[in-house]
Amino acid sequence: DAKTTQPPSMDCAEGRAANLPCNHSTISGNEYVYWYRQIHSQGPQYIIHGLKNNETNEMASLIITEDRKSSTLILPHATLRDTAVYYCIVRPLPNFGNEKLTFGTGTRLTIIP
Amino acid sequence: DTEVTQTPKHLVMGMTNKKSLKCEQHMGHRAMYWYKQKAKKPPELMFVYSYEKLSINESVPSRFSPECPNSSLLNLHLHALQPEDSALYLCASSQRGQNLPWGYTFGSGTRLTVV
Repeated sequence: DAKTTQPPSMDCAEGRAANLPCNHSTISGNEYVYWYRQIHSQGPQYIIHGLKNNETNEMASLIITEDRKSSTLILPHATLRDTAVYYCIVRPLPNFGNEKLTFGTGTRLTIIP
Repeated sequence: DTEVTQTPKHLVMGMTNKKSLKCEQHMGHRAMYWYKQKAKKPPELMFVYSYEKLSINESVPSRFSPECPNSSLLNLHLHALQPEDSALYLCASSQRGQNLPWGYTFGSGTRLTVV
């Protein structure tokens, strides 16, 4: 799976948009970009995924650059409950013998009241 | 039911004890996982079961013994653990054989302390 690089920590004011960057310059054509987050002492939670187009769901938006070498997760109106570690993961579709989901070090996002 | 349930939530055990962690899901997922997470570190994969068969063992010491008795249950048997094995143990499941790249669901974990 391609390696990802994320800033170790970020702060964002409550109510503002939180923009979390991720670099994945070695991404392959069949690899998706996943974002998960982990709130303190809970299991990781799926947020969003994408291949090449921008994606939006009820939690967040994912912007992937045209060359697919980087992406940004956007939380449009951050709340205190969005304080968590956010993981950007790049991997192909899971299939037999290739189900591994490997976490990098992630970005610790702190929402400031 | 869209959850992965782990029991117990907390466990304290001595180095000579034998204990088991349990994980259960009823989403029809056919791949199940054990992860270990130390404080302020990302989760690290330990084992993957696919269709109730062990498909990945990430060189985990034999004092950790996984078991998948059926498609809904995953156990992790613990024996002769060391204090450095204290961690949060996470179970996850995912769909397999379908074109659904987001299908990893995690439980809330078991906080294990070895004394």
